[in-house]
Amino acid sequence: DAGVIQSPRHEVTEMGQEVTLRCKPISGHDYLFWYRQTMMRGLELLIYFNNNVPIDDSGMPEDRFSAKMPNASFSTLKIQPSEPRDSAVYFCASSLSRRGGSEQYFGPGTRLTVT
Amino acid sequence: AQSVTQLDSQVPVFEEAPVELRCNYSSSVSVYLFWYVQYPNQGLQLLLKYLSGSTLVKGINGFEAEFNKSQTSFHLRKPSVHISDTAEYFCAVGENSGGYQKVTFGIGTKLQVIP
Repeated sequence: DAGVIQSPRHEVTEMGQEVTLRCKPISGHDYLFWYRQTMMRGLELLIYFNNNVPIDDSGMPEDRFSAKMPNASFSTLKIQPSEPRDSAVYFCASSLSRRGGSEQYFGPGTRLTVT
Repeated sequence: AQSVTQLDSQVPVFEEAPVELRCNYSSSVSVYLFWYVQYPNQGLQLLLKYLSGSTLVKGINGFEAEFNKSQTSFHLRKPSVHISDTAEYFCAVGENSGGYQKVTFGIGTKLQVIP
């Protein structure tokens, strides 16, 4: 398997523009997670899905952020409108099982810069 | 609510010297514990995990960690580090919540191996 795939790897956009980040989880994994990593706040869980259904979106910072998972092999994280403080590395991860102790497999991340 | 404290943000150590990266957690229920490593410009990958049983857990690349329930700690150790161990290390705690596993990551510890 190719692992978790994220695109784009780098995104530079201007404040106010819409940004869409994409993720393809590992085939057969039931869980998908979106994280944001910054120097100040470390790794923050934004939202996670189980079988394409959002389970916990309490980490989504505000209404400008939305995430969807239309099928088992694709998820998007959208920021509209983007702001400079959204600049961060966004990671997608997937996991095989809800059983306690399951490992999360991370993608390479998307580095977002909002100017 | 669960939480993870990584006591050192940066740890410099000379090559071939031993290293210990500290992690303390808090949780009201039984937990699972993880250490992940992040190399520059990459996603996180699992080093090792504790689910139950022996409190000494061995992982990849010669790392090991010891679960200490009384001290609520899960410190990571390696007897002799290599330049290639330079990376950021994340401690994480997982607990079952509403039938799902919730994982919380620490802020990370940057290990700098000095030649």
